[in-house]
Amino acid sequence: QTVVTQEPSFSVSPGGTITLTCALNSGSVFTGYYPSWYQQTPGQTPRTLIYKTNIRSFGVPNRFSGSILGNKAALTITGAQADDESDYYCMLYMGDGIYVFGTGTRVTVL
Amino acid sequence: QVTLKESGPALVKPTQTLTLTCSFSGFSLSTRGMRVSWIRQPPGKALEWLARIDWDDDEFYSTSLKTRLTISKDTSKNQVVLTMTNMDPVDTATYYCARVERSGWFFDYWGQGMLVTVSS
Repeated sequence: QTVVTQEPSFSVSPGGTITLTCALNSGSVFTGYYPSWYQQTPGQTPRTLIYKTNIRSFGVPNRFSGSILGNKAALTITGAQADDESDYYCMLYMGDGIYVFGTGTRVTVL
Repeated sequence: QVTLKESGPALVKPTQTLTLTCSFSGFSLSTRGMRVSWIRQPPGKALEWLARIDWDDDEFYSTSLKTRLTISKDTSKNQVVLTMTNMDPVDTATYYCARVERSGWFFDYWGQGMLVTVSS
């Protein structure tokens, strides 16, 4: 079974930088999985932040960036703001029409 | 402007079949490259991808749930329907439909979601 694991939680100070990661139990995450990232404030609909590893969706601030770090996909928030406090989910496209979401990371800004 | 909206019963009993409808506008599922997926999220838990239907009627399902799921489309009504059989309380979740971006790699527009509770 395919499992995509993220850090359960992260805290960051306002103005600080954090990097969330997205790991695949069966091996390395690489660009061919077309990693995407979604932000979800509790009770709200997910918002697409990043797609195809590192492309920001329209209107997403440039403090959000995506990459591959080692064998994981990564989302970096540089200069965190209070309204970045949310849950963040990565998603991998496994091919053949199959998608897998990560376990999610709750980010607290304090 | 692309919009999607889910509809269906808010409450179903265990063992019943759930039928959810995704009504969308701003694109057509008869257009090459268009696709719609269903995703769910149990309260306090992570997102889980369920199924996808494509413009050419191809269907794809979560491996763990595929025996219980059927996805279909009505192009004339701009609707996608998901049925899930043998509902259980663990299936209580917010169910979202989302448009799959033309590349097929991610979701670019999401519906508002609807909470479905499974309880007797």
